[in-house]
This record gives sequence, C-alpha cells and structure tokens, in this order.
Amino acid sequence: ETGVTQSPTHLIKTRGQQVTLRCSSQSGHNTVSWYQQALGQGPQFIFQYYREEENGRGNFPPRFSGLQFPNYSSELNVNALELDDSALYLCASRFTGANTGELFFGEGSRLTVL
Amino acid sequence: SQQGEEDPQALSIQEGENATMNCSYKTSINNLQWYRQNSGRGLVHLILIRSNEREKHSGRLRVTLDTSKKSSSLLITASRAADTASYFCATAATGANSKLTFGKGITLSVRP
Repeated sequence: ETGVTQSPTHLIKTRGQQVTLRCSSQSGHNTVSWYQQALGQGPQFIFQYYREEENGRGNFPPRFSGLQFPNYSSELNVNALELDDSALYLCASRFTGANTGELFFGEGSRLTVL
Repeated sequence: SQQGEEDPQALSIQEGENATMNCSYKTSINNLQWYRQNSGRGLVHLILIRSNEREKHSGRLRVTLDTSKKSSSLLITASRAADTASYFCATAATGANSKLTFGKGITLSVRP
C-alpha cells in the first residue's frame, strides 16, 4: 500500500511568484485535503477535494486554489506569493465512506518565500 | 482559527515516566484525534475518540474525552526517548471529517 507522497519537499520562491505543490493520495483514498502549518503552529485547513470538486474551504483567500484529478492526486496552487505564505504545506487523504475520521498525511512541502 | 488548546505547551520527562497531555476545545465535535509530528515532518495519526466515547486505549496510549467540559487528555505510559515529538489534538465537526481543527501542539521531550 502506497502512502501519501508530496513534491517538492522544499522550495524557495520570491514575493509575487506562483507555486504549485503536488500530492499523490494513499491508494484507495478518494478525498484529499490540504493544510498550512506555520512555524510553531498547528496545521490550518485550506480546503478539501472529493470527486474532483472542492467541497470544503478554510479561511484562505482565493489566491489559494486546487485541483483533484481522476486518479485522486491533487495540486495546491498559490498565486501572488506573500512572505506569510512561508510554511509547511501538508496534504492528507482518506476514503470518504469509511467509518473512520483518520487522515493520512504526507511529509509536506516546505515553502520559503523571500 | 485554532479550536484546540493543548496544555502544557512543553513537557520534559525521564524515560519510563508517564506523560499526560491535555486539550480543550470550544465547539461541538464528531470526534477528537491525536496526532504526532517529528521535527516538522508529516503528522502521524495516533488515536481517535468519538463524541459518544469516554475512554479509549491503544498500546501505551490512553485517551479520555469529557464532552461536558470540552476537554480530552492523552496519556503515554512508560515513555521512551523515541516518543520525543510534537503532539497535536484535532477536532472534527459533524459531517466534516476531513476538516480537522488543530491546536498549537505540545512539545514532548523524553530524556534517556
């Protein structure tokens, strides 16, 4: 069974640039969610995708957008990067319909905005 | 916004001792979960307790939930140096199982 994988693991961007982060969900999982974790803080929910549609969103501006593909992999796009976007971005997957709320997380993509 | 508030923020104990971590939350929940994170890496799920449960065990872990006080505790018995990590409680509202609201976390250091 393949776990959740994310890429890239680290990247550096400058203010105003755009970034795309990628996530492959765990085999058999159909729901993907993204979280932002600033240094010293707990993860904060960005949004969730199920059946290729966004079906839940946290308190993040529209410049944070995403996609889910037919194979359930996902992308997180952030436009017009700001310094405060520097964080660890975590992808998590689960199977909607399973009688469990457990999320399976990837190792994250650490974004630094200069 | 972060719903869960863990207590203490940092905990340092000797190997073999028990570690108790507390979490309080504000709104009604479907379930409460505890996760562990090593040095800014991915989170690993430890245990989940549903709102209609009061206590649950998994190996060296024991979690309790008091919905009247909106609080939970995680007990790690016979701690090991390898338990050194950050621990987060996270709550899930009804019908929104993928949206977890995390606290700021507790840093546990277990001295060999």
